[in-house]
Amino acid sequence: SQQGEEDPQALSIQEGENATMNCSYKTSINNLQWYRQNSGRGLVHLILIRSNEREKHSGRLRVTLDTSKKSSSLLITASRAADTASYFCATDAPGGNYQLIWGAGTKLIIKP
Amino acid sequence: NAGVTQTPKFRVLKTGQSMTLLCAQDMNHEYMYWYRQDPGMGLRLIHYSVGEGTTAKGEVPDGYNVSRLKKQNFLLGLESAAPSQTSVYFCASNSVPRETQYFGPGTRLLVL
Repeated sequence: SQQGEEDPQALSIQEGENATMNCSYKTSINNLQWYRQNSGRGLVHLILIRSNEREKHSGRLRVTLDTSKKSSSLLITASRAADTASYFCATDAPGGNYQLIWGAGTKLIIKP
Repeated sequence: NAGVTQTPKFRVLKTGQSMTLLCAQDMNHEYMYWYRQDPGMGLRLIHYSVGEGTTAKGEVPDGYNVSRLKKQNFLLGLESAAPSQTSVYFCASNSVPRETQYFGPGTRLLVL
């Protein structure tokens, strides 16, 4: 079952523009994470935001979390060709077990 | 420091054949996970381990078995491969459950 659902499924923008992708989830969480996956590679962790945090930054990345709407957004500013990848959100599973629940991802293409 | 490694990188099997995928991590992580990734879907957890000698079922365990005889290794076995098991398999590990996971590069499996 999928807890997180990313929106949009695909996004194509020009280099230098900002990219925003969203993640919605269904149940209460302790934290939400964003990962990047370059084509044919493993996933790489980007940011973890806890349920008591509203915003977090890491370089050109900005993540927001709205627990009342059960949603998060990932903003990539001043996009680069190297940002072309799929982006996934993951939430900790309800019930306190050890699993993360993953969304289907947003495929981001940066056009030069 | 290699992180998480997986072998093999690619394998073609015939229906009914068996194989073992090996995951190794050198970060002394307690928790290890096996996922499968299919087109248009997020990661789905197959099995996981919370420490040496332990294993537990994830979301899609049928047709797979696992073993964690050594802390650094997590093996995923397919006893009788089926075409539905054609997928990309990722191993991950972490030191704190439900937080940042570190991924291997993946194994692409094709079952004919």
